[in-house]
Amino acid sequence: GAVVSQHPSRVICKSGTSVKIECRSLDFQATTMFWYRQFPKQSLMLMATSNEGSKATYEQGVEKDKFLINHASLTLSTLTVTSAHPEDSSFYICSALHTSGVRTQYFGPGTRLLVL
Amino acid sequence: DQQVKQNSPSLSVQEGRISILNCDYTNSMFDYFLWYKKYPAEGPTFLISISSIKDKNEDGRFTVFLNKSAKHLSLHIVPSQPGDSAVYFCAASGGSQGNLIFGKGTKLSVKP
Repeated sequence: GAVVSQHPSRVICKSGTSVKIECRSLDFQATTMFWYRQFPKQSLMLMATSNEGSKATYEQGVEKDKFLINHASLTLSTLTVTSAHPEDSSFYICSALHTSGVRTQYFGPGTRLLVL
Repeated sequence: DQQVKQNSPSLSVQEGRISILNCDYTNSMFDYFLWYKKYPAEGPTFLISISSIKDKNEDGRFTVFLNKSAKHLSLHIVPSQPGDSAVYFCAASGGSQGNLIFGKGTKLSVKP
């Protein structure tokens, strides 16, 4: 299947700092990428839809000023958690929409964020 | 309101037997359905999908069945293997945007 990478895989930071997470589609171009958050023992929660060359679309309840998304190219989307707080600690997963052939989202391996 | 429901949080199956994971949906606009497998602390891995114009799709040990009138789909794994032990998410999409609506997942345990 198609490959999506995320970097870093794990990050620990101090409260108040900003953290950037990169999501790359390695073998296909993705005009649309998605950012999810997973809480322990819960399903994936869609945070926002990232469209190349335009503003991201945020789901209800997700602060756009706190979770900055940039989709600068057809293979890269970034999520920046600004002024992170302990409650932002979570598992963040991105996916890229592959539209060639069947319409399928391929997921990155996820990024574990721990805010102290 | 949960549009995609996986009512069984867990399922335990003996190795070699069939695993049947169920999923129900409420939105009749959904036209594409997917199953993902997820290990702890990893991103979901795409397994198999089915579009609403079909009622069955098979890929090796995995078969997905879609019953549109009942708004129900199921994933059959046969024969089940210990390595299949994971959380399985059902997902659905519809319209042009392509974002997926996920169920809460079913944890499958395949015992040797």
